[in-house]
Amino acid sequence: DAGVIQSPRHEVTEMGQEVTLRCKPISGHDYLFWYRQTMMRGLELLIYFNNNVPIDDSGMPEDRFSAKMPNASFSTLKIQPSEPRDSAVYFCASSFYYHRETQYFGPGTRLLVL
Amino acid sequence: DQQVKQNSPSLSVQEGRISILNCDYTNSMFDYFLWYKKYPAEGPTFLISISSIKDKNEDGRFTVFLNKSAKHLSLHIVPSQPGDSAVYFCAACSYNNNDMRFGAGTRLTVKP
Repeated sequence: DAGVIQSPRHEVTEMGQEVTLRCKPISGHDYLFWYRQTMMRGLELLIYFNNNVPIDDSGMPEDRFSAKMPNASFSTLKIQPSEPRDSAVYFCASSFYYHRETQYFGPGTRLLVL
Repeated sequence: DQQVKQNSPSLSVQEGRISILNCDYTNSMFDYFLWYKKYPAEGPTFLISISSIKDKNEDGRFTVFLNKSAKHLSLHIVPSQPGDSAVYFCAACSYNNNDMRFGAGTRLTVKP
């Protein structure tokens, strides 16, 4: 398996623009997680899905952030409108069941909002 | 609020010596702790974990120590190798709760 795939790997955009980050989890995994990494706050869990259903989105910072999982092999994290403080590395992770050690992380998307 | 803190942003050690990475937490409800390792341009990978019913867990060169009264845990790497150079994240959670909190990470550099 290719592992968790994220695209794009790097994104530079201007404030106010819409940003869409994409994730393909490992086949067969039924949990999917979105994290954000910043220097100040480290890794933060934004939202996670189980069987394509959002379970906990309490980590989503604002209404500008939304996440979807239309099917078992694809998820998106959208920021609209983007702001400079959204600049961070966004990781997607997937696991076969909700067990922290079994979470496999993607390589991340480095987002820079100017 | 930062419930998990790694106060040392970086650490440099000589190959063969011991590396000690520290982590403090504030939430007494946390009862499960993990360490992740991250290389540049890659996602974090799980390294080792410990439950609050233990005070030590060992896996090869890696040992995690937990001091519940001090709300402190540490990761020991002995002997350190250049390939251990990476960013190490500490994480804490309640085992029955889905909320896992990460520290900001410590960048370890092991010099040959």
